[in-house]
Amino acid sequence: GEQVEQRPPHLSVREGDSAVIICTYTDPNSYYFFWYKQEPGAGLQLLMKVFSSTEINEGQGFTVLLNKKDKQLSLNLTAAHPGDSAVYFCAVSPDTNAYKVIFGKGTHLHVLP
Amino acid sequence: DMKVTQMPRYLIKRMGENVLLECGQDMSHETMYWYRQDPGLGLQLIYISYDVDSNSEGDIPKGYRVSRKKREHFSLILDSAKTNQTSVYFCASGGNSGNTLYFGEGSRLIVV
Repeated sequence: GEQVEQRPPHLSVREGDSAVIICTYTDPNSYYFFWYKQEPGAGLQLLMKVFSSTEINEGQGFTVLLNKKDKQLSLNLTAAHPGDSAVYFCAVSPDTNAYKVIFGKGTHLHVLP
Repeated sequence: DMKVTQMPRYLIKRMGENVLLECGQDMSHETMYWYRQDPGLGLQLIYISYDVDSNSEGDIPKGYRVSRKKREHFSLILDSAKTNQTSVYFCASGGNSGNTLYFGEGSRLIVV
């Protein structure tokens, strides 16, 4: 079945620097892709959902790139600030069962002032 | 309100005791999930429910069972809890296939 690898597991950057988190998946038929953010003591909240082919999506202070050819999903936080400190998860829905959502193991991001 | 509510938030149980974790959602979502989160392992799917009385095992169902008698409620039951079931449990709900998941704030269970 689908497997999702996320790296790095831990990431520390200084305020104003960029932070990049990368996920690779195995099922070429996967269709829905997600980034979630988890703040301490809280549940996960959606940052962005993407689908379709190679795609760049821009949110507030971040960019998501989906490269289906390389089966890679990335999250780039531009000019990180301390409020971005959290655990970030990528998630993938395989086409064979799009109700099933498979998560990466998460990245602990620390943004130092 | 788009809210998923988990109860209790914190629970300490002795090994062998029964555990009931409850989850409610106010979005009329058909699909609901139970995950557990452990350091270094991320989120692991325990059970998925497609609607009332329509439940399916996830990746780690052993030692757990679920109940969904109303669309808005999904319960996770541990019969005879084990120490390796100490974890944070998250409930989530989602609408149609491929939709965003909405998570509760988690239930931290310690089994001693």
